[in-house]
Amino acid sequence: QKEVEQDPGPLSVPEGAIVSLNCTYSNSAFQYFMWYRQYSRKGPELLMYTYSSGNKEDGRFTAQVDKSSKYISLFIRDSQPSDSATYLCAMTPFSGGGADGLTFGKGTHLIIQP
Amino acid sequence: DGGITQSPKYLFRKEGQNVTLSCEQNLNHDAMYWYRQDPGQGLRLIYYSQIVNDFQKGDIAEGYSVSREKKESFPLTVTSAQKNPTAFYLCASSTSNEQFFGPGTRLTVL
Repeated sequence: QKEVEQDPGPLSVPEGAIVSLNCTYSNSAFQYFMWYRQYSRKGPELLMYTYSSGNKEDGRFTAQVDKSSKYISLFIRDSQPSDSATYLCAMTPFSGGGADGLTFGKGTHLIIQP
Repeated sequence: DGGITQSPKYLFRKEGQNVTLSCEQNLNHDAMYWYRQDPGQGLRLIYYSQIVNDFQKGDIAEGYSVSREKKESFPLTVTSAQKNPTAFYLCASSTSNEQFFGPGTRLTVL
């Protein structure tokens, strides 16, 4: 059964803080993991894509995957007010394109206070 | 510019009416998807198509129909059988590694 857990928040932090966003999953078939950012009333945009346990860094963003614990994280360093958005984790057993669709968490609403 | 377009941005429908949402992509992607997003629910898969003239039901296909006559187009029809159609509808297309989303259509049933 597809199931991904994600705290919906809201999560409010001061500007400049390190943000930690997390998802857990129960299906060990999931092998590819993505983080999307969604601004209000817009389509999601892909931030990070990983397929192996460990860390992947891209600028201020770091994606972390722990397949043994079925736990993924997204860290945002030096957070900015423009980072205020909903962050969605997504995963699939197949390649990151998701042959039969992606399974999403409910999204975490993040607020960066100036 | 390459991308995914959805129209209209906002759509209002009376109960009992069918309505069709448009999705077009010029990314030359084979696979296309429709998701529904409700507040606090995340995205849920309605239908997907991996190739022209073929499509599969997702997790919540009841009350919806699709067609895939052209590679670039994947329209979604919300029928009167869909009991709670008010939602934000998102179309996506994918390469083997990444899935890209359109801007969405917000459907409201009056």
